[in-house]
Amino acid sequence: KAGVTQTPRYLIKTRGQQVTLSCSPISGHRSVSWYQQTPGQGLQFLFEYFSETQRNKGNFPGRFSGRQFSNSRSEMNVSTLELGDSALYLCASSFRGINEKLFFGSGTQLSVL
Amino acid sequence: DAKTTQPNSMESNEEEPVHLPCNHSTISGTDYIHWYRQLPSQGPEYVIHGLTSNVNNRMASLAIAEDRKSSTLILHRATLRDAAVYYCILANSNSGYALNFGKGTSLLVTP
Repeated sequence: KAGVTQTPRYLIKTRGQQVTLSCSPISGHRSVSWYQQTPGQGLQFLFEYFSETQRNKGNFPGRFSGRQFSNSRSEMNVSTLELGDSALYLCASSFRGINEKLFFGSGTQLSVL
Repeated sequence: DAKTTQPNSMESNEEEPVHLPCNHSTISGTDYIHWYRQLPSQGPEYVIHGLTSNVNNRMASLAIAEDRKSSTLILHRATLRDAAVYYCILANSNSGYALNFGKGTSLLVTP
């Protein structure tokens, strides 16, 4: 059974650009959640999608957005990139939601120059 | 938001038990207590979770205080592969609050 797949693995962007990250959950999982990990703030929750609807949202500005497709694959978009957006972005999937066992991908390392 | 407090770091000798504490004094009645760990260059890995009763699985045990304001993750015999950052979090998909892992406890295991 394939695990959670995140693409790309590494990404380099410049300030002001936008970026889209992709996450393919484990087959059958309908919940996908996204996290930002930085050395200073640790691992922080961005948002959760379930059946194509955003169900929970963390405390991040509107520049961070996401969506989920009918096959449960999810994308996260960050617009007008800032230097502080440099981080490891992780996604996790589960059958029903964030209060059950989550399976994480290896993440996308984003560097903003 | 319900929050957790963990020590920044802990150290253990190989093959000895490790008790990783977590305080969550503002926990609500329907919050589940989850533990994850993260090895270098990997995404977090599920360890164990529980609601009120103590829980055991092949990886670890979770001891939950009677008032649920604290919990302890127990690794019965630490190995070098257990060196990781351990996160204690509260999860409740019905509440709608953010699920933040924070910085966790960095466990160092020495041979």
